[in-house]
Amino acid sequence: GDSVTQMEGPVTLSEEAFLTINCTYTATGYPSLFWYVQYPGEGLQLLLKATKADDKGSNKGFEATYRKETTSFHLEKGSVQVSDSAVYFCALSDNGGDMRFGAGTRLTVKP
Amino acid sequence: SAVISQKPSRDICQRGTSLTIQCQVDSQVTMMFWYRQQPGQSLTLIATANQGSEATYESGFVIDKFPISRPNLTFSTLTVSNMSPEDSSIYLCRAGGAGNLEQFFGPGTRLTVL
Repeated sequence: GDSVTQMEGPVTLSEEAFLTINCTYTATGYPSLFWYVQYPGEGLQLLLKATKADDKGSNKGFEATYRKETTSFHLEKGSVQVSDSAVYFCALSDNGGDMRFGAGTRLTVKP
Repeated sequence: SAVISQKPSRDICQRGTSLTIQCQVDSQVTMMFWYRQQPGQSLTLIATANQGSEATYESGFVIDKFPISRPNLTFSTLTVSNMSPEDSSIYLCRAGGAGNLEQFFGPGTRLTVL
């Protein structure tokens, strides 16, 4: 079945460092891909999404490109802030149906 | 987009009791999903709830333990029955449907069982 493999953390960076969190997927069809963020003590928030190959999702300085040839959807940010400290989940969905999640990556940004 | 609310936001319960969690969406949605997130873990799908039909449970989850209602297209409940400390988790609902590419989560219910 469909699955998501996500770089495990924790990841610790200094403020203004470059961030990459790797995500690869396995799917039989053409899923939509998502990144969710979970801040401490809160629920999941949709960070960005992409619905087809070569789409780039972006939000709050974060970007991810749907790469069909490498089955990847890596999350990047050029300059992280302390406020970006959270757990990040990569996920895929078969057109609104079942959604599969990666294990989550905990990011800590230090001043 | 959709706005999803959950009640309660958190609760502390005694072993052997039951808790019903409510999920309300501000628009009609075809499918609603219930997830469990155990401490430090990713999300695990409990069941899918479609209006007018029985919920579909994932392997490892049964209706007697997690009964679900879906009386209309904007509301669902999940009951955690006969609770034990192992049920301590965050429970989240999600709204979605065929062709709906925006996947929205409720804020979660943080349950602690003593």
